[in-house]
Amino acid sequence: GESVGLHLPTLSVQEGDNSIINCAYSNSASDYFIWYKQESGKGPQFIIDIRSNMDKRQGQRVTVLLNKTVKHLSLQIAATQPGDSAVYFCAENSMDSSYKLIFGSGTRLLVRP
Amino acid sequence: NAGVTQTPKFRILKIGQSMTLQCAQDMNHNYMYWYRQDPGMGLKLIYYSVGAGITDKGEVPNGYNVSRSTTEDFPLRLELAAPSQTSVYFCASSYGRVQPQHFGDGTRLSIL
Repeated sequence: GESVGLHLPTLSVQEGDNSIINCAYSNSASDYFIWYKQESGKGPQFIIDIRSNMDKRQGQRVTVLLNKTVKHLSLQIAATQPGDSAVYFCAENSMDSSYKLIFGSGTRLLVRP
Repeated sequence: NAGVTQTPKFRILKIGQSMTLQCAQDMNHNYMYWYRQDPGMGLKLIYYSVGAGITDKGEVPNGYNVSRSTTEDFPLRLELAAPSQTSVYFCASSYGRVQPQHFGDGTRLSIL
């Protein structure tokens, strides 16, 4: 069945270091992927997305990498800041799942001062 | 723009009561969604709508109903509340399928 999972439930990094959050997906038909950031008591906030015809996309301090061969997605955050502490979710969507975004269970990022 | 607005922010219900969770968006998005998020988990889709007058079931629709009479509003109705419906409910909207979904800040619902 469809599933999106994460390798690390909690990631602790030093302020200023780069962070890498990983995500595995199982539906080879997925063609759209999103990373969300969720702070305590708030709704998910869109960070960056990528379509399956790309393997890399960059935003402000963030980069998403897509490896369709091994069905792996990663979010890289450069120069991690205390404000980056949150739970990060990857989500996937495919034409055969209609409009359903399949979410992973999340990775908590803790930034040490 | 306010984005996606959800009301109320918190609510406690007794078993068997009913209520409507409100969701409104001002981005003129056609697509709207309702999710629930249980502690430490990702989001699961309850219902979605691709436009006014059109709704469809998601992964976990049992115990819920929706309507979409306008582009802006997408209320979620709980009939006969049960403890298993204790959760945080998020409404989202998007311009299209391969466009980011924008979320409200959620309604925290407890059924006692």
